Amino acid sequence: GNSVTQMEGPVTLSEEAFLTINCTYTATGYPSLFWYVQYPGEGLQLLLKATKADDKGSNKGFEATYRKETTSFHLEKGSVQVSDSAVYFCALRGGGSYIPTFGRGTSLIVHP
Amino acid sequence: GAGVSQSPSNKVTEKGKDVELRCDPISGHTALYWYRQSLGQGLEFLIYFQGNSAPDKSGLPSDRFSAERTGGSVSTLTIQRTQQEDSAVYLCASSLGSPVEHVYNEQFFGPGTRLTVL
Repeated sequence: GNSVTQMEGPVTLSEEAFLTINCTYTATGYPSLFWYVQYPGEGLQLLLKATKADDKGSNKGFEATYRKETTSFHLEKGSVQVSDSAVYFCALRGGGSYIPTFGRGTSLIVHP
Repeated sequence: GAGVSQSPSNKVTEKGKDVELRCDPISGHTALYWYRQSLGQGLEFLIYFQGNSAPDKSGLPSDRFSAERTGGSVSTLTIQRTQQEDSAVYLCASSLGSPVEHVYNEQFFGPGTRLTVL
């Protein structure tokens, strides 16, 4: 079946540091890939997505590139802010199943 | 409304009681999902509705859990004889699309219901 693996958290950074959260997946065919963000006390919100190989999703300074050859969709941001503190979920849809598959989430803590 | 809504936002119940959790999806969204998010865990898929098709119940953890969706809109997740391990945040999400196309569409999540079983 499909699966998504994310790096363990929490990730703790100082403001303006560079962020990478790794995500790799297992799926058949060509799934769509997503990053969701969950701020404290809120539901998940879509952060960005990519629907085919080599697509780059971007939003709010975050980027992720769909790498078919390495089955990865790593999330990056050049300069994090305290307000980016949240839990980030990598997810895929399609790939032989209509049930979305989520990673376990990675908590990001940004200190001033 | 503009987004997915869920009620109640918090529910505290005693072990053995039944609870009902409600989800109002975005109007026009044909797909609706329920997930469970336990402390420190990812999202656990519970059940999926698509239009008028029979729901996919493959994620329900036991026969104490059930869900229905009336008129293709509002959904209710029912947990009977609650146990302490049922304590979690229950999330609902909806999305657009046909049974094939929807797999690639964005899911919109509600804020969740935090269930605490004492």
